[in-house]
Amino acid sequence: DAGVTQSPTHLIKTRGQHVTLRCSPISGHKSVSWYQQVLGQGPQFIFQYYEKEERGRGNFPDRFSARQFPNYSSELNVNALLLGDSALYLCASSPTTGSGNTIYFGEGSWLTVV
Amino acid sequence: AQSVTQLGSHVSVSEGALVLLRCNYSSSVPPYLFWYVQYPNQGLQLLLKYTTGATLVKGINGFEAEFKKSETSFHLTKPSAHMSDAAEYFCAVSFMDSNYQLIWGAGTKLIIKP
Repeated sequence: DAGVTQSPTHLIKTRGQHVTLRCSPISGHKSVSWYQQVLGQGPQFIFQYYEKEERGRGNFPDRFSARQFPNYSSELNVNALLLGDSALYLCASSPTTGSGNTIYFGEGSWLTVV
Repeated sequence: AQSVTQLGSHVSVSEGALVLLRCNYSSSVPPYLFWYVQYPNQGLQLLLKYTTGATLVKGINGFEAEFKKSETSFHLTKPSAHMSDAAEYFCAVSFMDSNYQLIWGAGTKLIIKP
């Protein structure tokens, strides 16, 4: 079975531009989470979606938004990119919500803002 | 505030030696505890987790961890290190009131000396 898939794997954007990152969860998983991992640090929680509804939001500015589609795939959008947005963006899926659930990560999308 | 601390950003051990990676958390409510491993340029893979029940948890690749409530710790161990264990290891915690998000430590890079 396919794991969590993310696209694109690498991209370079200019300050002020907009970016859309995409994620397909493991088949049967209804919950998708997004994390930002800056080089040398642990992941930081951005969003969680379950059944197309936002269930959690981390401490990120409104420039960050996301949505989940009827097929449970998800998009993360970042507007007005800053140099500090350069990071690995990880998508994770789990069958349901719940704090004890195992979440399964994709390989990530490397975003470089120049 | 709830937090996770991993002691030592880098740990170096000889091949065949004991691996000990430390993780402490702070919380006023019962935690769910996770260890993830990240190989270079890859996503995060679950090693093991504790939710309830037995406090000694066995994971993949010969790793295990013990939840010690009195010490608020969840240290990761492996009796004999292999070269293939070289990677970055992240401890993460979630709580029933954490809005479903994982709170992550900063990571420990494990270096295996031949």
